[in-house]
Amino acid sequence: AQKVTQAQTEISVVEKEDVTLDCVYETRDTTYYLFWYKQPPSGELVFLIRRNSFDEQNEISGRYSWNFQKSTSSFNFTITASQVVDSAVYFCALSERNNDMRFGAGTRLTVKP
Amino acid sequence: EPEVTQTPSHQVTQMGQEVILRCVPISNHLYFYWYRQILGQKVEFLVSFYNNEISEKSEIFDDQFSVERPDGSNFTLKIRSTKLEDSAMYFCASRERGPIGYGYTFGSGTRLTVV
Repeated sequence: AQKVTQAQTEISVVEKEDVTLDCVYETRDTTYYLFWYKQPPSGELVFLIRRNSFDEQNEISGRYSWNFQKSTSSFNFTITASQVVDSAVYFCALSERNNDMRFGAGTRLTVKP
Repeated sequence: EPEVTQTPSHQVTQMGQEVILRCVPISNHLYFYWYRQILGQKVEFLVSFYNNEISEKSEIFDDQFSVERPDGSNFTLKIRSTKLEDSAMYFCASRERGPIGYGYTFGSGTRLTVV
């Protein structure tokens, strides 16, 4: 069965600090997809990134970057030079080939001015 | 950009009443989902729906719940005889045909409060 672990329940940083949110997954499939979503205080789920299991290339999008390592079953998310607007709950999620998306427990990030 | 629309955004109901949460998926999407998020907790999978039938459901999705696609555009979640612990945010999602990892779009959610 697929499983996603986000061990960090809450993280608090000061603006402009870099922060990394950890995500470790378990799956028996060789084909799967990993996601990160942001949930701001308004409650909606904002899609950030999708990665398939065959693409281990790291990705950078502005201040956001993702490090996918199959060897450690991790898909970590780094925010560089954090801003107050980055404060939210961040969810990592996994879809296996024949199953639907499952979410981790989420990490609440608070960025203080 | 196409959106998944959920109505109402907030619903308050009395314990024991039936509620129907409504979703309009993106028009060319073929797979439909409901997820639940109890306040402060993780987003939990409830059910997936494809080709007019349930394709997968979680242990949360018991006889109290049902889903329906009554016409070509709506996708509904019915909760019979609501309980206090049904209070949560309910998200609808849809995706297009293709690899399971592609095309998920979530609605903005319906906050259900059972009193």
